[in-house]
Amino acid sequence: KQEVTQIPAALSVPEGENLVLNCSFTDSAIYNLQWFRQDPGKGLTSLLLIQSSQREQTSGRLNASLDKSSGRSTLYIAASQPGDSATYLCAVFSNSGYALNFGKGTSLLVTP
Amino acid sequence: NAGVTQTPKFQVLKTGQSMTLQCAQDMNHEYMSWYRQDPGMGLRLIHYSVGAGITDQGEVPNGYNVSRSTTEDFPLRLLSAAPSQTSVYFCATLTGGETQYFGPGTRLLVL
Repeated sequence: KQEVTQIPAALSVPEGENLVLNCSFTDSAIYNLQWFRQDPGKGLTSLLLIQSSQREQTSGRLNASLDKSSGRSTLYIAASQPGDSATYLCAVFSNSGYALNFGKGTSLLVTP
Repeated sequence: NAGVTQTPKFQVLKTGQSMTLQCAQDMNHEYMSWYRQDPGMGLRLIHYSVGAGITDQGEVPNGYNVSRSTTEDFPLRLLSAAPSQTSVYFCATLTGGETQYFGPGTRLLVL
């Protein structure tokens, strides 16, 4: 069974800092990996999707990398802003199934 | 284009009551799924469907029923609610292995 782990569980940084969120998975036979954002009491918003054949994806201040062989992905947020405060979820879509396997998330707080 | 819609937004049930959580999408996606989100547990798959008339179990299917008579709708039924089913429920769609789209969620409290 695919296990997805996110480190750290919580992170607090001052505005303007660059930061890295980590995600690891146990089975490298993945179809794609997706990063989501979830605001309190809200649904999930897709941030970046990386196909298994890709190494990274970028959207604005966000950059996600994927190293399938080592079972790792990172989400890099540049020049953090208070509006970035949310929970960030990593999810893996495995070759063997029809579902996303989610990590438990990193709760990010960016202070002014 | 409303994307994925879920109703109700919030529901309180008594133990033993039944109810149906509604999910509808207007993106013509074949794949739809139901997840539940619990503190400390993350999101876990309940049931999924790869097209009308086809459903299958996910990681935590016990206590839930689904059916898929149309591409647009994928209702989740609780036949006899239990306090352990208190959770936030999300419906999601997917096309061709690409981005998953999530609904806004239904908060369920079972007393």
